[in-house]
Amino acid sequence: NAGVTQTPKFQVLKTGQSMTLQCAQDMNHEYMSWYRQDPGMGLRLIHYSVGAGITDQGEVPNGYNVSRSTTEDFPLRLLSAAPSQTSVYFCASSLGGLGMNTEAFFGQGTRLTVV
Amino acid sequence: GEDVEQSLFLSVREGDSSVINCTYTDSSSTYLYWYKQEPGAGLQLLTYIFSNMDMKQDQRLTVLLNKKDKHLSLRIADTQTGDSAIYFCAEKMAGTASKLTFGTGTRLQVTL
Repeated sequence: NAGVTQTPKFQVLKTGQSMTLQCAQDMNHEYMSWYRQDPGMGLRLIHYSVGAGITDQGEVPNGYNVSRSTTEDFPLRLLSAAPSQTSVYFCASSLGGLGMNTEAFFGQGTRLTVV
Repeated sequence: GEDVEQSLFLSVREGDSSVINCTYTDSSSTYLYWYKQEPGAGLQLLTYIFSNMDMKQDQRLTVLLNKKDKHLSLRIADTQTGDSAIYFCAEKMAGTASKLTFGTGTRLQVTL
């Protein structure tokens, strides 16, 4: 099993450019999410999905779009990159389910710099 | 509201015990977690505790939960240099399907 795979690992964008961060999992997990990690702020939830065709906003959704056309993939799109979006992005997946203890599995992260 | 707080930095000597603390505000939390992040890597689950428990022990790790004070701690016995990492606590609230709220992370530095 590959687990959660994120690509690319590193990316430099110019302000105003758009790009898509890819996330794929092979564990048949229903729940997937995107976080950004900034120094001293921990992980903040951007968007999440509880299953194919269903997405919802997290704590910091502005400037990002997501879609979930398949169970395996959950891409994160930056519409018009801004320096404030310089961060490390993590994708995570879990089995999900209300009332369940579900371990979240994380990708290795994408380090994005917007200049 | 959802707010999970941790101190940012902890330094301990190899062989000593480390105690990493976390406070949370949502009393409806069902599970509380400790994740470890090594440099340049994603987060990995270390251990967790269900909200109706006070303590959980797993080899060198001891988790203590004080629901009244909304305080969670992680004790690492016989701390090793390989324990140097950032440790995140996270809570899962009742009625949420695996949505986690993470703390700010505590960077543990183990010195010789």
